[in-house]
Amino acid sequence: DGGITQSPKYLFRKEGQNVTLSCEQNLNHDAMYWYRQDPGQGLRLIYYSQIVNDFQKGDIAEGYSVSREKKESFPLTVTSAQKNPTAFYLCASRSTGPSPLHFGNGTRLTVT
Amino acid sequence: QKEVEQDPGPLSVPEGAIVSLNCTYSNSAFQYFMWYRQYSRKGPELLMYTYSSGNKEDGRFTAQVDKSSKYISLFIRDSQPSDSATYLCAMSPSGGYQKVTFGTGTKLQVIP
Repeated sequence: DGGITQSPKYLFRKEGQNVTLSCEQNLNHDAMYWYRQDPGQGLRLIYYSQIVNDFQKGDIAEGYSVSREKKESFPLTVTSAQKNPTAFYLCASRSTGPSPLHFGNGTRLTVT
Repeated sequence: QKEVEQDPGPLSVPEGAIVSLNCTYSNSAFQYFMWYRQYSRKGPELLMYTYSSGNKEDGRFTAQVDKSSKYISLFIRDSQPSDSATYLCAMSPSGGYQKVTFGTGTKLQVIP
């Protein structure tokens, strides 16, 4: 079945450590996105990529980095510069033309 | 003022009731409208995807868009306990890679 796989489901890190969240899709979608979800704030866009080797900052990119070396993969690194990294992170993808976002099942990151 | 406003609820209804979920928006450029269902600790699941004004029906779900009032609705007929989830509205100016803006979500509980 086609879909978006995020791993791991839960991630725990100590403050000051960088951590990388994985996102893989087999939908053959060109565009991929990372969102952060916090209670009462809805989904906020971190980064997005329309094609391989190209990506743009979203609304809250500070303290995050991404890469897009393959069409299927769009990993997100949460760096130690991110002041409040504990959150639920969602990866999404979208086909070309008018089409909705499709989401993975998220990674819950807890930093202590 | 947020671009998309959505009542957070919670909304509690008895099983079998008709549920009405709503969002208002301020950006007149929004053309594509989506409704997602999100269960706890899961990613959002696409329910409905509509373009411009009018109604769209899919099983027990009906999406309604009134662009003149900048108001969208999702109706759920014969609600079931399995419909208990958070419902997110989302919208974008046009297709392709335009930014998708989300509401904060309405939490629905259907009581058996």
